[in-house]
Amino acid sequence: KAGVTQTPRYLIKTRGQQVTLSCSPISGHRSVSWYQQTPGQGLQFLFEYFSETQRNKGNFPGRFSGRQFSNSRSEMNVSTLELGDSALYLCASSLRYEGSPNTEAFFGQGTRLTVV
Amino acid sequence: AQSVAQPEDQVNVAEGNPLTVKCTYSVSGNPYLFWYVQYPNRGLQFLLKYITGDNLVKGSYGFEAEFNKSQTSFHLKKPSALVSDSALYFCAVRDHILTGGGNKLTFGTGTQLKVEL
Repeated sequence: KAGVTQTPRYLIKTRGQQVTLSCSPISGHRSVSWYQQTPGQGLQFLFEYFSETQRNKGNFPGRFSGRQFSNSRSEMNVSTLELGDSALYLCASSLRYEGSPNTEAFFGQGTRLTVV
Repeated sequence: AQSVAQPEDQVNVAEGNPLTVKCTYSVSGNPYLFWYVQYPNRGLQFLLKYITGDNLVKGSYGFEAEFNKSQTSFHLKKPSALVSDSALYFCAVRDHILTGGGNKLTFGTGTQLKVEL
């Protein structure tokens, strides 16, 4: 069974540009969450999507957005990039959104974004 | 708000010795607790979870964790450390399903484990 796939693995962008990251969850998983990992702030929750709807959002500016498609694949977009957006962006898939606590999140290998 | 704390930035242990990575939690209600491991330039790998039941939880790669409600702790343990266990370990708490938090995880700051020969 294939794991969570994130593309691309590495990205270099210039300040002011925008970027789109992609995440394909484990087959059959319908929930996708995004996290930002930086040395200073650690792992921080960005948002979660389920059934093509954003269900939960972390404390990030509106420049960070996402969406989910009918096949559960998800993209996140960051507009007007800032140097501080340089981070490892991790995607996690879970079987369902709610109803059972006995489901763990499985993470992809991440996309390393460098803003110069 | 739910939170977890990992009081040690780094833990050093000799190969073959037991290891403990500490985690304490602060939640309202019953906690859903997890341990993940991260190797350099990789994502997070699930190790184990505590939802309910036995206080000693067994997970992947010989790791186990002890849930202690009175001390609000969920320490990760392994009886005999390997050099290959060297990695960054994260404790996490999941929002309770009744709060509508879905699968959101709140992570600790991470503990770097270094196992030396």
